[in-house]
Amino acid sequence: GDSVTQMEGPVTLSEEAFLTINCTYTATGYPSLFWYVQYPGEGLQLLLKATKADDKGSNKGFEATYRKETTSFHLEKGSVQVSDSAVYFCALNTDKLIFGTGTRLQVFP
Amino acid sequence: GAVVSQHPSRVICKSGTSVKIECRSLDFQATTMFWYRQFPKQSLMLMATSNEGSKATYEQGVEKDKFLINHASLTLSTLTVTSAHPEDSSFYICSASRRVETQYFGPGTRLLVL
Repeated sequence: GDSVTQMEGPVTLSEEAFLTINCTYTATGYPSLFWYVQYPGEGLQLLLKATKADDKGSNKGFEATYRKETTSFHLEKGSVQVSDSAVYFCALNTDKLIFGTGTRLQVFP
Repeated sequence: GAVVSQHPSRVICKSGTSVKIECRSLDFQATTMFWYRQFPKQSLMLMATSNEGSKATYEQGVEKDKFLINHASLTLSTLTVTSAHPEDSSFYICSASRRVETQYFGPGTRLLVL
């Protein structure tokens, strides 16, 4: 069945460091791909999405490109801030949302 | 973005009792609501999908008599865990949707069954 695999955390970075969180997927058909973020005490929020191959989703300095050839949707940010500390979930949508296990990001000053 | 609330945020109950969790969309009418369950260090697993005024559609392996879902209005869905047992302890998250691929998530409810 369809599935999402993302790197285990926590990912610990200093402020202004470069961030990559890997995400790969397995799906039949052509899913839409998403990154959600969950800040402490809050619900998941959609961070960015891409609906077809080679699309790049971007928001708040984060980017991810839908790579069909490598079945990947890695999340990147050039310079992280302390306020980016949260749990990040990669997900795909065919007829329902399927989530990865989440990656906790901790950014220190 | 749209706001979805859940109540309670945390509940502790004795084994054998029933627990009701509410999910409300505060500023929009949700045609569809979803209930997820999340175990520690695992991903969110969809339990069921409910449309206002109709019966919920449960995912394979989810007991419909155990997890009762009611979607009485366009702004409220409830999940009742009946005769709860320690293995039902988990983090339950709802989301609300007004169109395909746009889900707004609640903050979750942590259930602990003693």
